[in-house]
Amino acid sequence: QQQVKQSPQSLIVQKGGISIINCAYENTAFDYFPWYQQFPGKGPALLIAIRPDVSEKKEGRFTISFNKSAKQFSLHIMDSQPGDSATYFCAASGSGSARQLTFGSGTQLTVLP
Amino acid sequence: GAGVSQSPSNKVTEKGKDVELRCDPISGHTALYWYRQSLGQGLEFLIYFQGNSAPDKSGLPSDRFSAERTGGSVSTLTIQRTQQEDSAVYLCASRQTGGANTGELFFGEGSRLTVL
Repeated sequence: QQQVKQSPQSLIVQKGGISIINCAYENTAFDYFPWYQQFPGKGPALLIAIRPDVSEKKEGRFTISFNKSAKQFSLHIMDSQPGDSATYFCAASGSGSARQLTFGSGTQLTVLP
Repeated sequence: GAGVSQSPSNKVTEKGKDVELRCDPISGHTALYWYRQSLGQGLEFLIYFQGNSAPDKSGLPSDRFSAERTGGSVSTLTIQRTQQEDSAVYLCASRQTGGANTGELFFGEGSRLTVL
């Protein structure tokens, strides 16, 4: 059972545009929602994360929007740059010591110069 | 080292052979995870170690897969009698626990396994 559904699978955006990636989850026990960025040949790295007590978190050009009632969250990349071209994974985990992250299937973002 | 170190970075093996993949986590990180990333796919949880507790093996896909963590530090993932469907990138991650825990996983660069 896929617990975190991510879309789109791939995304092409012009430089300066807004990139939007969406995720939906099923498990209402999830309370931590990070986004990871992965460049080719590298491991994923944490980009930004949110907890359900807020509806939005912004760090520079990256914003997470969170809708608890809809069980959805999204990543917005403002003023997208070619250097943002990477694969983005949303993830979710529950409370407790395990924190086993359940990852979405990933979105390959290409920002055209 | 400063980050999570994995070896080998690339491994090509023949079907039926056993392979061992190594992970050296960030010093002081007591939590260690193994994930598998197949081509174009997300990250599939395999196993989780936390201190001296029994590991959570719930993600291991078959009994051909096993992992151990010696001395609470280095971990080895072993795949016996490899099959072509085992071809993937195997990622190791570590995390702080306790008061400094932000939930962030720090990943290594992975071991790319190709089974011919």
